[in-house]
Amino acid sequence: EAGVAQSPRYKIIEKRQSVAFWCNPISGHATLYWYQQILGQGPKLLIQFQNNGVVDDSQLPKDRFSAERLKGVDSTLKIQPAKLEDSAVYLCASSPVVYKSYEQYFGPGTRLTVT
Amino acid sequence: AQKVTQAQTEISVVEKEDVTLDCVYETRDTTYYLFWYKQPPSGELVFLIRRNSFDEQNEISGRYSWNFQKSTSSFNFTITASQVVDSAVYFCALVPSGANSKLTFGKGITLSVRP
Repeated sequence: EAGVAQSPRYKIIEKRQSVAFWCNPISGHATLYWYQQILGQGPKLLIQFQNNGVVDDSQLPKDRFSAERLKGVDSTLKIQPAKLEDSAVYLCASSPVVYKSYEQYFGPGTRLTVT
Repeated sequence: AQKVTQAQTEISVVEKEDVTLDCVYETRDTTYYLFWYKQPPSGELVFLIRRNSFDEQNEISGRYSWNFQKSTSSFNFTITASQVVDSAVYFCALVPSGANSKLTFGKGITLSVRP
């Protein structure tokens, strides 16, 4: 069974530019999560989807971050415009069903550097 | 809200030494899950163990062992006879059971194993 796929793996942009990350969860998984991991810290949840609906986006900086999960499968996370403090690893995870938050499978992450 | 504290930030040992990574948690939930993840320099999160709050049995897997003590809200991880390949950042995490629960991570412990 294929795992969670993410692309790109690495991205370097200048501040004020825009960037988008893509995530393809494990086939059949209803729940999808995006995490931000700043250097020296643990991952922090940005947004959680159940199918194509948002369950929790309380920690998503909505003035510059947006995310969507069209058709309840793939998801895209966008940052525009990027700031220096957005430099981090962005992890995508998926879970079979919403009540199994304890069963999350993580992708390899996208390392973003904002200069 | 829950909290995970990993008081140690960096540990350095010589190969073949035993090392224990500490994890203390706070939660008001009676049912929850505890995790340990390994994050090597490549960045992906590698799942090591998940523990249900009702199961306080200690677990051993090869050179790895885990000590779960509900009375002290601790879930410590010991690596016996450490190896250079154990060098990584290790995260402890907690999620309450139930739908839409958030997975909360500690800040991580950087383990360096010197040859």
